[in-house]
Amino acid sequence: DAGVTQSPTHLIKTRGQQVTLRCSPISGHKSVSWYQQVLGQGPQFIFQYYEKEERGRGNFPDRFSARQFPNYSSELNVNALLLGDSALYLCASSLPRQGGTEAFFGQGTRLTVV
Amino acid sequence: AQTVTQSQPEMSVQEAETVTLSCTYDTSESNYYLFWYKQPPSRQMILVIRQEAYKQQNATENRFSVNFQKAAKSFSLKISDSQLGDTAMYFCAFMKHAGQRDNDMRFGAGTRLTVKP
Repeated sequence: DAGVTQSPTHLIKTRGQQVTLRCSPISGHKSVSWYQQVLGQGPQFIFQYYEKEERGRGNFPDRFSARQFPNYSSELNVNALLLGDSALYLCASSLPRQGGTEAFFGQGTRLTVV
Repeated sequence: AQTVTQSQPEMSVQEAETVTLSCTYDTSESNYYLFWYKQPPSRQMILVIRQEAYKQQNATENRFSVNFQKAAKSFSLKISDSQLGDTAMYFCAFMKHAGQRDNDMRFGAGTRLTVKP
């Protein structure tokens, strides 16, 4: 079975532009979360979606938005890019179940803003 | 709000020896999960081990084990018989009980572990 897939793997954008990152969860997983990992730091939570509804939002500006589609894939959009948005963006999918849950991560999208 | 602290930015260990990575967390929740994730240079976050807070028994996975001290809010990872492939960033993470809103993962800043031959 395929794991969590993210596209693109690398991306270079100019300040002020907009970017869309994509994530396909593991088949059967209905929860998708997005994280931002700045170089040298731990991942920071951006959004969680479950069954197409937003279940949580981290401390990020309104320039960040996301959505989940009927097939449970997800997109993360960032508008008006700043140099500080340069980071590894990680997507994780999970299947919440009684007794615990485990998040499976994709390999991330490396975004560089110049 | 939940916070996770990893006080060791870098550690090293000789191949075949044992190393312990520290993690403390702060929460008012009574039911939650704790995780250790490994992130090699390939960037893929890989789950190493998971602990459910309501279970008193420490989790073990082959060469990996944890020392979970709920009252002290401490969750350390012990790696036995260290191998070169264990070289990676290790992140401790906290998550509220599944099914609750805002059960996102909170990560520590990470510990860079180097296994020396």
